[in-house]
Amino acid sequence: AQKITQTQPGMFVQEKEAVTLDCTYDTSDQSYGLFWYKQPSSGEMIFLIYQGSYDEQNATEGRYSLNFQKARKSANLVISASQLGDSAMYFCAMREPQSGSARQLTFGSGTQLTVLP
Amino acid sequence: DGGITQSPKYLFRKEGQNVTLSCEQNLNHDAMYWYRQDPGQGLRLIYYSQIVNDFQKGDIAEGYSVSREKKESFPLTVTSAQKNPTAFYLCASSIDRAGTRGLYNEQFFGPGTRLTVL
Repeated sequence: AQKITQTQPGMFVQEKEAVTLDCTYDTSDQSYGLFWYKQPSSGEMIFLIYQGSYDEQNATEGRYSLNFQKARKSANLVISASQLGDSAMYFCAMREPQSGSARQLTFGSGTQLTVLP
Repeated sequence: DGGITQSPKYLFRKEGQNVTLSCEQNLNHDAMYWYRQDPGQGLRLIYYSQIVNDFQKGDIAEGYSVSREKKESFPLTVTSAQKNPTAFYLCASSIDRAGTRGLYNEQFFGPGTRLTVL
């Protein structure tokens, strides 16, 4: 079974509007972390936001916020006031509990966001 | 400037040849990772290393090998045993960070190498 599910292969949003990118996850662990990354067409992965499983408040980083609903196992990314530069592939990822300094990430299949002028 | 470098950006090889992708970081991170990305898909973990001279297989290690002789370097060899080697390869390193709501582990990615096997 997939651990991270992103059900929207592609999304369109008008410039300056808000958009929500969906992510659901599956884990039996109590301690885990959820991440969102942005991948522009150039290929590099850019870290956007992190939410820990014990965090009671939703994470926010500038125009990005994470709508964390633990009971539903969802971690949707909300981008407010979309900009043309937000057009990219967006990946949701989950950290597996791990000893030592390595933290394995499991990625979803991604959502291609296109911001329209 | 600190960061992760991968070279070359584009690499072409003939079928049956081994090829080594380089990954260097000057961030002083202990952990390093190799991911593979196929078109329209997410990243899948090939190998990871927590410290020098130690590495572990990820989800899709077959046909790949790595070494970690120095903290800064984590090269990946794509062997002839890898049946579908054409893909985009991303290297990453990670460090634990103290955020506003506690510790979390952040992975930093290199620019990637696009390997095409002809």
